[in-house]
This record gives sequence, structure tokens and C-alpha cells, in this order.
Amino acid sequence: GAGVSQTPSNKVTEKGKYVELRCDPISGHTALYWYRQSLGQGPEFLIYFQGTGAADDSGLPNDRFFAVRPEGSVSTLKIQRTERGDSAVYLCASSQTASGGTDTQYFGPGTRLTVL
Amino acid sequence: AQSVTQLDSQVPVFEEAPVELRCNYSSSVSVYLFWYVQYPNQGLQLLLKYLSGSTLVKGINGFEAEFNKSQTSFHLRKPSVHISDTAEYFCAVSVFNDYKLSFGAGTTVTVRA
Repeated sequence: GAGVSQTPSNKVTEKGKYVELRCDPISGHTALYWYRQSLGQGPEFLIYFQGTGAADDSGLPNDRFFAVRPEGSVSTLKIQRTERGDSAVYLCASSQTASGGTDTQYFGPGTRLTVL
Repeated sequence: AQSVTQLDSQVPVFEEAPVELRCNYSSSVSVYLFWYVQYPNQGLQLLLKYLSGSTLVKGINGFEAEFNKSQTSFHLRKPSVHISDTAEYFCAVSVFNDYKLSFGAGTTVTVRA
């Protein structure tokens, strides 16, 4: 079946601009996660949704970052006033539930964000 | 908080040779452990995971890993690699009721003929 999809695959923007990154999870998955992967590093957690609500946003680096999931499926990560340090690959993952950390998270291919 | 250290950033290996990728973690509570693989231009894919029970875990594509609580390690092994195993491998940890994964920095495996 269809996996997690993310759009766009690449996004180039200028410093100070606003960007939106979209994630379509696997159908029926209630849990959705955003991670950020900088060059040469492993993914770092940003935010986790259970249904429509953000259950844990402790990984968001500052208030320029915001994410929504209004209908419990598609999610959008929004970054305001982008900075060069925001350049990274943004990964989305989903899992069927969030059973205490044991569910397998299925990852999308990522969106590569470049801030000039 | 938990953390993961992958001891080798790059591992070159010849085709049909064995490979071991080392992963150590730190945590004050019991952990769940995962290995993910990222092939070129693809998303992360789960190779295997340890939740509880037998410390030897078998995964896809002939990979296996052993959980060693006393050494806080979860090393990944494959007895004979193929060219197609060329990829980046990530070790990750989570803890009970904490849904986020904490990843290591990754190990790049390059298989040569």
C-alpha cells in the first residue's frame, strides 16, 4: 500500500521567508511525528501528534516552528522567518497507534529545505 | 534522557564478508531499541527492533542484532553482505510511554566487489 508521502521533495527559500512542509501519513495511522535531520547527523525529534492534537512538541527549536494536523491525517510543518540554520531534511513518520513507544514508525522520503 | 552512540561513522566492507555495526545507548530506564536503514534517495526503513524477551533479534534482509543490557549495546550484524546493502544505518532508542525516537549519528556502509 501507499507509504508516507511528503511534499515538496525539495524546497529552496530565502532567509526570512515562510515555508510550509506537508506530510501525508499512511491511511489509518493515528500517530504522526516530525523529525529534522541535519547533514551528517541522525534525525532529531520535533513534534508528535496523536490524532489532531500535538501530544509532545518538546523538540520544536523555537516559536518560529509550528505544526498542525487539523483532521487527524495530513500534517503541515510551518516555519516562519526562516534562517540559514533551518536548512535540513525534514522527515515525517507515522505509526498505527502510539503504544507506549513500541509501534514501528514508518518514515517518508523527507523534504530537503535549503535556506539561502 | 536517553542517547545513542554509533561508534563507527563509516564501514567499508567487501562483498560476501561479514559486517558488524556498533551501537551503545545510555538511559536511566528500560529501553526499546531499533535499527533503521536508509538507502540512497529513500526514506528510513525498519530493519529490526528489540522490545523485550529474547536478546537476539532477527530482522529483514538477513540482519540480526543482540541486546546486551550489561554493556548497554545493541550491535547489528550480517554474516555476508551484498552490494545492495550499501546504505546508511541508524540505531535508535525509545523508552516506555515516550513516543519519540532518539537516533545515533548513523553509520555509512559501503560494500565493494
